Formats: sequence, C-alpha cells, structure tokens
Amino acid sequence: GAVVSQHPSRVICKSGTSVKIECRSLDFQATTMFWYRQFPKQSLMLMATSNEGSKATYEQGVEKDKFLINHASLTLSTLTVTSAHPEDSSFYICSAFSGTSGHIYFGPGTRLLVL
Amino acid sequence: GDSVTQMEGPVTLSEEAFLTINCTYTATGYPSLFWYVQYPGEGLQLLLKATKADDKGSNKGFEATYRKETTSFHLEKGSVQVSDSAVYFCALRSTGANNLFFGTGTRLTVIP
Repeated sequence: GAVVSQHPSRVICKSGTSVKIECRSLDFQATTMFWYRQFPKQSLMLMATSNEGSKATYEQGVEKDKFLINHASLTLSTLTVTSAHPEDSSFYICSAFSGTSGHIYFGPGTRLLVL
Repeated sequence: GDSVTQMEGPVTLSEEAFLTINCTYTATGYPSLFWYVQYPGEGLQLLLKATKADDKGSNKGFEATYRKETTSFHLEKGSVQVSDSAVYFCALRSTGANNLFFGTGTRLTVIP
C-alpha cells in the first residue's frame, strides 16, 4: 500500500531554535498534504492544509508565521517550527491525499521536545 | 461545524472478549466515516470505512455500521486478541472535502 514517511521521527531542540520536519509520499503523488498536532491523550488537531505549489491554508488559531509549511513538490511537504518554545512540544503527524486512490495516508509522526 | 465524539478510554479487555467503542458525529450533508488504528510506534492506518447510510465497513474482524438516524458509527469486534491492542480513532470526512475530523481516540489494551 501507499506509504508516507516523516523525518525525523524524534527531535529534541533548545528553546529559540527552529526545527524542520519532512513529510514524503513514497510511491504516489500527493496534491494535498495535511499537518496535524496531537497532544497526549487527545485527538489529532488539524493545523493546516498544504497544496502543492500554493500557500498553505491554516486552521483558526494556528500561527502561520510560527509554523511554516512548504509543499514544493508532489511528494514532499515540510513543516518548520520557528523559534520553538517548550509549549510547542508535541507529536506532529502529516497525511497525504492520493488523487488516484482517493485515500488519505498517514505518516508515522514526529515527536518534538523543546527544552 | 463538523465534529466527532468518541468514547473515552482506556479500555482493558481480556482476550476473546467482545469490544464496542462508541462514536457519534455531527456533520452537515452526508459525510464519509472512518475508523483508524494506531499501533504502538506506528502511524495511523485505515481500519475500515463507510461512505453512506446503512453501509457496514469491516476488516480484520472489526465492523462498524453507518447509522444516520442515530448519527453513529460504533466499532465492534466479537473476539479481541492481544494484537488488537492499539489506539482507535473515529473520523469523518465531509462531502467534497479532503481533510478528516478525528475523535479523541480510545486506547484498547487486551490482556491474555
């Protein structure tokens, strides 16, 4: 089946630094990718929808200047957490929509810890 | 707006017990409904889905029926196994949309 990868799987950084998370669709082209944030024991909260070649659409309450999303190709989207703070520590999950199958596939997630 | 309300966990069952995880939804139109499973250390995987009222999704012994009259999509399995231990998420996708709305997830632990 279709596979979506995320890199890194786990990252620890110092407060004030920026962290980039990559999301790749490995065997299909994804015109749309989604970024979610998952807090412990809570649901996945959609942060933004990323369409290839255009600006991301952010959900209400998500700071677009803090969470920079780039979807430069049909197989890669990146999320950059700028000037990270401890409250940004969370599990970030991406998913990719396959126009061919009509299905959404999820990446394994990236755990971010900001010290 | 669209939302999903899911039974809170955690749920602990003995092997071969019957499982029900409740899920109800609020949506305009006719959404598609999904159950996703997240095994430890892995990403979400689609378990089953239903796209219209009265459809029954099934996979790996799990079943869920799209009940429009009760706006529900409860997950059931007649006999759980230790390998079913995971977090289960109910989700919906609105008509014409690509994104998913998720419930809070229910952690299931099956003990031998």
